[in-house]
Amino acid sequence: NAGVTQTPKFRVLKTGQSMTLLCAQDMNHEYMYWYRQDPGMGLRLIHYSVGEGTTAKGEVPDGYNVSRLKKQNFLLGLESAAPSQTSVYFCASSYSGQQIYGYTFGSGTRLTVV
Amino acid sequence: KQEVTQIPAALSVPEGENLVLNCSFTDSAIYNLQWFRQDPGKGLTSLLLIQSSQREQTSGRLNASLDKSSGRSTLYIAASQPGDSATYLCAVSGGSQGNLIFGKGTKLSVKP
Repeated sequence: NAGVTQTPKFRVLKTGQSMTLLCAQDMNHEYMYWYRQDPGMGLRLIHYSVGEGTTAKGEVPDGYNVSRLKKQNFLLGLESAAPSQTSVYFCASSYSGQQIYGYTFGSGTRLTVV
Repeated sequence: KQEVTQIPAALSVPEGENLVLNCSFTDSAIYNLQWFRQDPGKGLTSLLLIQSSQREQTSGRLNASLDKSSGRSTLYIAASQPGDSATYLCAVSGGSQGNLIFGKGTKLSVKP
């Protein structure tokens, strides 16, 4: 089925460890986004990309890096995980910035940093 | 800075009731407004997308309205069912990069 796929779905990290979250979409969308969702805070934008080879910072980018080497993939990296990065991470994609056709979200990655 | 507020934070109704969820935003310069549904432990499902030039959108038992000048949107759910129980999120898009600003959601519980 067409959509946005996130891997892994769950992960437990120790403080200081690194990891990469993968987001893949098969809808030929130009725009891709990484959000985090925390209780009482709602969803907040971490980084986004407006096309292959481009990335930009969102509202809460500190401690994260991203790459978009291929149009269909958007990677979110944590170089040195901290307990404050315990969250649920959602990837999303859209056809254009004006989102004429709306957003498509992945099912999320639940990350715990101990 | 755009801020999105959703009222109420939680709502419990008996099955069959019609209900209204509210969303307000501080900056009327938006491209569009979207309503999402989120089930516990799941991702977000897009329900309705209203472009800034539109006043409302309908899908089945759902109707969303947009009053951009007053910074308000409502999601109307007719004849609620237990399967409607979920958290409903409102989000606005105000920039060409397409990022969304989310409210914190309304948690809806529909009792049989």
